[in-house]
Amino acid sequence: GAVVSQHPSWVICKSGTSVKIECRSLDFQATTMFWYRQFPKQSLMLMATSNEGSKATYEQGVEKDKFLINHASLTLSTLTVTSAHPEDSSFYICSAVWGVPNEQFFGPGTRLTVL
Amino acid sequence: AQRVTQPEKLLSVFKGAPVELKCNYSYSGSPELFWYVQYSRQRLQLLLRHISRESIKGFTADLNKGETSFHLKKPFAQEEDSAMYYCALKNTGFQKLVFGTGTRLLVSP
Repeated sequence: GAVVSQHPSWVICKSGTSVKIECRSLDFQATTMFWYRQFPKQSLMLMATSNEGSKATYEQGVEKDKFLINHASLTLSTLTVTSAHPEDSSFYICSAVWGVPNEQFFGPGTRLTVL
Repeated sequence: AQRVTQPEKLLSVFKGAPVELKCNYSYSGSPELFWYVQYSRQRLQLLLRHISRESIKGFTADLNKGETSFHLKKPFAQEEDSAMYYCALKNTGFQKLVFGTGTRLLVSP
């Protein structure tokens, strides 16, 4: 149980285009999901907290207009990278909170390459 | 500010040797500490948390508030333990995790 999926697993896009990444909790409902970014050989950096039915909470330094997060249902959160540029190329990972005590279950990640 | 420090980027040991992956943290409140593991080509998964005080896959970790440490230990390393290990911290009652930079453990035969 407690499986989180991400789609797509990898994506290549042209500079200036927008890319949407989906994060789904497959066998549980999650009111809270998180989006992380991981640069090569570096740690996970929290970008934002996605709350079902309300606005996302962004970490300091993360542009909310560039990284749009929507958590419209208890099993789906989406991250849209708008007007992507090469510096947005990274590995994006989501997690969903479930269980007692609460635990974060991680998706497999999405590799974004912006040309 | 919350911070998690893992001083070693790479730890290389031979099979059967003891392992200790270091983790230090800075936090003014009452934190919860975790160890996460990422095996090759797999997703990040929880290994253990300090409040559980349990041993998982032979690994243990004790929270030392005086030294603000949460080192991960295993008396006899196995080849299948080779992975990336992340120490993480969160504020009690909240969900946000702060991760360390990770330590790659390589266990050679």
